[in-house]
Amino acid sequence: EVQLVQSGAEVKKPGESLKISCKASGYYFNAYWIAWVRQMPGKGLEWMGVIFPDDFDTRYSPSFQGQVTISADNSINTAYLQWSSLKASDTAIYFCARGGGPGRDNYEPNTYWGQGALVTVSS
Amino acid sequence: DIVMTQSPDSLTVSLGERATINCKSSQSLFFTSNNKNYLGWFQQRPGQPPKLLISWASIRESGVPDRFSGSGSGTDFTLTITSVQAEDAAIYYCQHFYDALGAFGQGTKVEIK
Repeated sequence: EVQLVQSGAEVKKPGESLKISCKASGYYFNAYWIAWVRQMPGKGLEWMGVIFPDDFDTRYSPSFQGQVTISADNSINTAYLQWSSLKASDTAIYFCARGGGPGRDNYEPNTYWGQGALVTVSS
Repeated sequence: DIVMTQSPDSLTVSLGERATINCKSSQSLFFTSNNKNYLGWFQQRPGQPPKLLISWASIRESGVPDRFSGSGSGTDFTLTITSVQAEDAAIYYCQHFYDALGAFGQGTKVEIK
């Protein structure tokens, strides 16, 4: 069974750093893209970026380029989303989702999702 | 980058009536090499992650009631809910997966009268 289990809720102050995680199981982690999606309070879904764990190819939507860092550790089947300096506007629920595969050019819909991680940034 | 636009932003439907949601992409999502449209539809209820209802524009996922159907090709797509039920109250999103950078429509909120 494919599962994506995300780290728990976080409360941080503006300017602090943060790294949240998404641990995958039930499939060959290296062979599928992992995506990160933001949902601000009361708003829609925003595609942030993706990583292909086999070679760490990472792509960002223009709105998120330079704002966050996506990474992965394929020795522990885990993807990460990281901020170096949080802002109040980063307050949101962040979802990870399995993307296309197997293979980097085999795009498919996001069938599997993590449970979401609420990040609250407040002074 | 491909931009997805949904309409309407919200709609109120009576129980048992039909709901129709439209989605337009800024470029064609149809791959001629495999005759597939790289478009999915999701349902999201409060406090839940999105749930994939329809993939490849018209393929219903396992366990999804047959009152949900998807249609369209190229740049114009439709999600139809025939005979809306109370549990269909949710926000619905279209999303392309034409490349690694998928994008969502802004969402359509469906309320039941």
